[in-house]
Amino acid sequence: DAMVIQNPRYQVTQFGKPVTLSCSQTLNHNVMYWYQQKSSQAPKLLFHYYDKDFNNEADTPDNFQSRRPNTSFCFLDIRSPGLGDAAMYLCATSPMGGRAADTQYFGPGTRLTVL
Amino acid sequence: DQQVKQNSPSLSVQEGRISILNCDYTNSMFDYFLWYKKYPAEGPTFLISISSIKDKNEDGRFTVFLNKSAKHLSLHIVPSQPGDSAVYFCAASVNDYKLSFGAGTTVTVRA
Repeated sequence: DAMVIQNPRYQVTQFGKPVTLSCSQTLNHNVMYWYQQKSSQAPKLLFHYYDKDFNNEADTPDNFQSRRPNTSFCFLDIRSPGLGDAAMYLCATSPMGGRAADTQYFGPGTRLTVL
Repeated sequence: DQQVKQNSPSLSVQEGRISILNCDYTNSMFDYFLWYKKYPAEGPTFLISISSIKDKNEDGRFTVFLNKSAKHLSLHIVPSQPGDSAVYFCAASVNDYKLSFGAGTTVTVRA
């Protein structure tokens, strides 16, 4: 089945130690998103790729970076994780063209713990 | 600034009865509204949507109502089934690829 895969599902890192979360998709979708969801809060868009074009949300901290080496893969790099970065990180994809809002496919998320 | 709000973090309903989930928004530019459903250990999945030019959209047991003047939408599930127990997210967009989400409502359907 076509899907969005996130690895690892659980990630523990130390305060200030860089960490990378990965997302891969078999849907061949052009658009990929990264969301941050803290406990009992709404998922918050960090950035998205429209094909190779990177779009950063204005309030996304500089500590968060992303790479998309090809259509299938997208990475979220947190350069110096703080305790406030502990959250669920959701990756999503959607096809280009038409209305993307109702065609976002989400991965299961990576839960990040910062010690 | 939270533009989409779900003020009820949880809802408990008996099997067979109606579940009503509510969502309020502040951005009058939103023109498309969606509900997502999320089971534990899975990502959210699209459930139902409605355009701002409509006030109702129905899909089987699920109906979404939109009241633009009140900036309010609701999701009705009739009849509620045990498999409907999940977290439901309201979301909205402004004719682009970005979604603004609410914090979610956890629905528990009691047998």
